[in-house]
Amino acid sequence: QLVLTQSPSASASLGASVKLTCTLSSGHSSYAIAWHQQQPEKGPRYLMKLNSDGSHSKGDGIPDRFSGSSSGAERYLTISSLQSEDEADYYCQTWGTGPWVFGGGTKLTVL
Amino acid sequence: QVQLVQSGAEVKKPGASVKVSCKASGYTFTSYYMHWVRQAPGQGLEWMGIINPSGGSTSYAQKFQGRVTMTRDTSTSTVYMELSSLRSEDTAVYYCARGPRYWGQGTLVTVSS
Repeated sequence: QLVLTQSPSASASLGASVKLTCTLSSGHSSYAIAWHQQQPEKGPRYLMKLNSDGSHSKGDGIPDRFSGSSSGAERYLTISSLQSEDEADYYCQTWGTGPWVFGGGTKLTVL
Repeated sequence: QVQLVQSGAEVKKPGASVKVSCKASGYTFTSYYMHWVRQAPGQGLEWMGIINPSGGSTSYAQKFQGRVTMTRDTSTSTVYMELSSLRSEDTAVYYCARGPRYWGQGTLVTVSS
C-alpha cells in the first residue's frame, strides 16, 4: 500500500535552514512526489515536483531558498534562510495508478 | 495562465446535498483530469476522486462511493462535485486541482443543524 510518512512537527530559527522529510512506503522508492506549502488560513501552494533521482521542477515564483533532494525512499524539502512567512504546514503528495496519496503534513515553526 | 475558480461558501443541514463548482480557464479544459480534495478543520488533505473532463469518466475514493458525484460541463469549462447525505464530519474546505500544480481557492462547506 502506497503511504507517505512525515514528522508532525519541525522547528528552526529565523535565518537558519531546515530539512523536512517525506518517506515512501516499502516498494515505492521510485515514485516522484510533490511538495506543497499551506500557510495559515490559505489553500495549498505547489512548491515542486521531486523525482527519485533528486531532480525537481519548481512552481512559478517559488524562491531559490526552497530545494528538493532524494535518497532511496526519502524525499526532502530544504528551506534555507528561513523567513517568518515560511511558518506553515508542508505536505508531500504522490500518485500511482490509483488515488492521490498525501502525507500527514509537517507543521514548521520558525523560532 | 491556468485558473481554477470555485463557487462560494455553503451552509447545509445534515442530510442535505451540496454541489460545488470549479470553473477552469487558461488551458484546454478537456486535456487534463480534475481532482477533488478536501480538508476538514485542523486536519490534513484527503483525496476524494477524479473526473476526466473529456469523456466524463470518474473514479471515487472508496470512502465516498455512493455519496459523491463528479460531473462536467464542457461548454462552460466547469467541473462539479456533489456530495449527498451530508453529516457534520463533512464540514471542510473542498478544493479542485488540476494535477498537483494548480489548485482552486477552496470552498468552505459547513454542515450544521
